[in-house]
Amino acid sequence: QQQVKQSPQSLIVQKGGISIINCAYENTAFDYFPWYQQFPGKGPALLIAIRPDVSEKKEGRFTISFNKSAKQFSLHIMDSQPGDSATYFCAASIRLNTDKLIFGTGTRLQVFP
Amino acid sequence: EPEVTQTPSHQVTQMGQEVILRCVPISNHLYFYWYRQILGQKVEFLVSFYNNEISEKSEIFDDQFSVERPDGSNFTLKIRSTKLEDSAMYFCASRDSDTQYFGPGTRLTVL
Repeated sequence: QQQVKQSPQSLIVQKGGISIINCAYENTAFDYFPWYQQFPGKGPALLIAIRPDVSEKKEGRFTISFNKSAKQFSLHIMDSQPGDSATYFCAASIRLNTDKLIFGTGTRLQVFP
Repeated sequence: EPEVTQTPSHQVTQMGQEVILRCVPISNHLYFYWYRQILGQKVEFLVSFYNNEISEKSEIFDDQFSVERPDGSNFTLKIRSTKLEDSAMYFCASRDSDTQYFGPGTRLTVL
């Protein structure tokens, strides 16, 4: 019940295209859903995050869509750029607890020019 | 911009040896974490630390692991007797009100 399932495992997109990564969870107590971006040899860096009281959050080219009833959330990267090539992790936590992050398995995104 | 720092960037050790991984969290943060990432796999929670004590630990964080905040700035992870399967990237993180900020990691290689 603590798992976060992420798909796809890898994604290849052409420059200018839309990248979509999906995550699903079981534990309805989760109340914070961040997305992290990780470049090789670096630590994860927060990209964007959402709480379950909203269905969508947009920051620049990055949008999180959240479906509380389906227990799913997704990351959309509009106008994907080669510099977006990285591994993306969704995560979930329960903020009133220690808010340890439960990470998905990651999606390796490659954007080709 | 403040950031979490970790040292060393790479540690090579022999099986059975003790290692200490060091982290300097962001200065005004109160919550601290260690995570690990085995090569090519997801990031896994190890332990959280608040108010000078462990808040929560995972099944991975057994008696071989310990954490300490020896002074006002450092946060350390000690592995007493390393095993081959401890080889991984270890990330320290610290949190403000919402966000956990991760350090660049220490790559631990156990031979």
